[in-house]
Amino acid sequence: DAGVIQSPRHEVTEMGQEVTLRCKPISGHDYLFWYRQTMMRGLELLIYFNNNVPIDDSGMPEDRFSAKMPNASFSTLKIQPSEPRDSAVYFCASSFRGGIAFFGQGTRLTVV
Amino acid sequence: KQEVTQIPAALSVPEGENLVLNCSFTDSAIYNLQWFRQDPGKGLTSLLLIQSSQREQTSGRLNASLDKSSGRSTLYIAASQPGDSATYLCAVYSIKAAGNKLTFGGGTRVLVKP
Repeated sequence: DAGVIQSPRHEVTEMGQEVTLRCKPISGHDYLFWYRQTMMRGLELLIYFNNNVPIDDSGMPEDRFSAKMPNASFSTLKIQPSEPRDSAVYFCASSFRGGIAFFGQGTRLTVV
Repeated sequence: KQEVTQIPAALSVPEGENLVLNCSFTDSAIYNLQWFRQDPGKGLTSLLLIQSSQREQTSGRLNASLDKSSGRSTLYIAASQPGDSATYLCAVYSIKAAGNKLTFGGGTRVLVKP
């Protein structure tokens, strides 16, 4: 397996635009996590799924953020409309039954 | 709500010295604890996983201990090398009725000087 795959690796967008981040978890994993990392706040859990079902989205900062997992092999995190303060590195991670969490390489988002 | 703390936030040691990294958590109802390494501009790489029933886990020069009752874990890195310079993060899987939540500490940035 190629590991957790995120796309794009880098995204630069203008304020107000919609941004969609994508994640392909490791095949067979039943947990999927979306994190955001900034210098100021460190690594923050935004939302996580178990068997494609959102379990806890209390970390989603605002209604502008939404996440979906239509099937076991794909998830998206959408920001609409984007703002400069959303600039961060967004990580996706997956695990099997609460075991080792494997992280993707992240998407570096810059909103100008 | 689970809170994970890592102190110190940064650490600098000369090459060859042993590293001791600390992690504390507030809720002892955990499934496991994991230590990760993150290099600048990169993703996180899992180093060790300790199940809640275990007291320690070893991999090469790395040894991690877990004291669930006191809410603490320690990562030891023996005979540090410049290549060990990175940020080390601990994370706990908290037990919840509807699944497990992985919560991270703020990390300890380590610099090993040659």
